[in-house]
Amino acid sequence: GENVEQHPSTLSVQEGDSAVIKCTYSDSASNYFPWYKQELGKGPQLIIDIRSNVGEKKDQRIAVTLNKTAKHFSLHITETQPEDSAVYFCAASMTGGYQKVTFGTGTKLQVIP
Amino acid sequence: EAGVAQSPRYKIIEKRQSVAFWCNPISGHATLYWYQQILGQGPKLLIQFQNNGVVDDSQLPKDRFSAERLKGVDSTLKIQPAKLEDSAVYLCASTSGRTDTQYFGPGTRLTVL
Repeated sequence: GENVEQHPSTLSVQEGDSAVIKCTYSDSASNYFPWYKQELGKGPQLIIDIRSNVGEKKDQRIAVTLNKTAKHFSLHITETQPEDSAVYFCAASMTGGYQKVTFGTGTKLQVIP
Repeated sequence: EAGVAQSPRYKIIEKRQSVAFWCNPISGHATLYWYQQILGQGPKLLIQFQNNGVVDDSQLPKDRFSAERLKGVDSTLKIQPAKLEDSAVYLCASTSGRTDTQYFGPGTRLTVL
């Protein structure tokens, strides 16, 4: 089955700096890569996703890149703010709506004011 | 639209007792997932329903865990008897199938003493 590895497990940045979280996956059949943000006491919430036919996607301060050959993808957050502090999970699956999603182990991001 | 509802939010039980969790997905979402999230880890899929049928329960410990979605809407996850290692947050998610986005509920935090 699919295996997703995520690094780093914790990340502290100063407010305004950038944060980068990296993930690798094992199953070359995976073609959908969502990123979730989980705040304390809440369920994960989708913040951005990318499909394998796209190399990069951006939404305001958040961007994701995908390297299918190397089987890795990354989340980039620019101009970090204290409200970005949370646990971030990468995930991999196949598209189709009913496919199993495999999550990474999470990165706890702390933005220091 | 209303999000995914889960109850209870917290539950503390003794080992060998039984416990049940309830989930009501977003209206119209045919696919429902139960995940187990152990502290410091990513969500792990326990079972996936498509309407009232099971799509994937390969990681469900069937000797103690059971789940049902009788009318294809809300769902119940049961643990009987509970073990210490079952202490975790149990997340419910749903998707319409028209997109790949999974919407998560707030979770139920289970503590087994």
